[in-house]
Amino acid sequence: GEDVEQSLFLSVREGDSSVINCTYTDSSSTYLYWYKQEPGAGLQLLTYIFSNMDMKQDQRLTVLLNKKDKHLSLRIADTQTGDSAIYFCAERDFNKFYFGSGTKLNVKP
Amino acid sequence: NAGVMQNPRHLVRRRGQEARLRCSPMKGHSHVYWYRQLPEEGLKFMVYLQKENIIDESGMPKERFSAEFPKEGPSILRIQQVVRGDSAAYFCASSPPPENPGPVYEQYFGPGTRLTVT
Repeated sequence: GEDVEQSLFLSVREGDSSVINCTYTDSSSTYLYWYKQEPGAGLQLLTYIFSNMDMKQDQRLTVLLNKKDKHLSLRIADTQTGDSAIYFCAERDFNKFYFGSGTKLNVKP
Repeated sequence: NAGVMQNPRHLVRRRGQEARLRCSPMKGHSHVYWYRQLPEEGLKFMVYLQKENIIDESGMPKERFSAEFPKEGPSILRIQQVVRGDSAAYFCASSPPPENPGPVYEQYFGPGTRLTVT
């Protein structure tokens, strides 16, 4: 199956920017996704990017895609304590999603 | 429009017992996916079903695990003779049929069932 890799932890101060990185292996993926998981909850779709795009901005979120290096990143501007969660990137192969192991974001006040 | 519902939210079973996890997809969604999340890990695909049909079960362990999605009622993930290694969070997701996937073909996730095997 496809391999999606993320670093496990990121700690930032409130108000700073957070950048969460992800690498994937399937170059044919049409869409790449970022999901957020809060403690004890399911996954919530945050944003996605179509594979023919380099960048997508959605309020405080910016997704960057480097297709050549198969590298995806999620930048959260002005990070708030409410952003503390686990963030998963995922790629889709037809009807199956492949998730990374998640990056736990800790936002210090 | 209610989201994906899973029950129970928490399930405790002794080794050797059976675990039944239920998932009701979103209204209008005919496709269901089951994922397992082990502690400190991402979600691993287990099985993809549509009503009365298993589309892809390549992620399911060969023994003790089975899944169904009957014509009426919720999808069921069944684990027989549970062992400690089955302790995990099991997530269900649903999506519209492929012929009407919407722009993103998003999967909508339920809150999960946390299975603990003692």
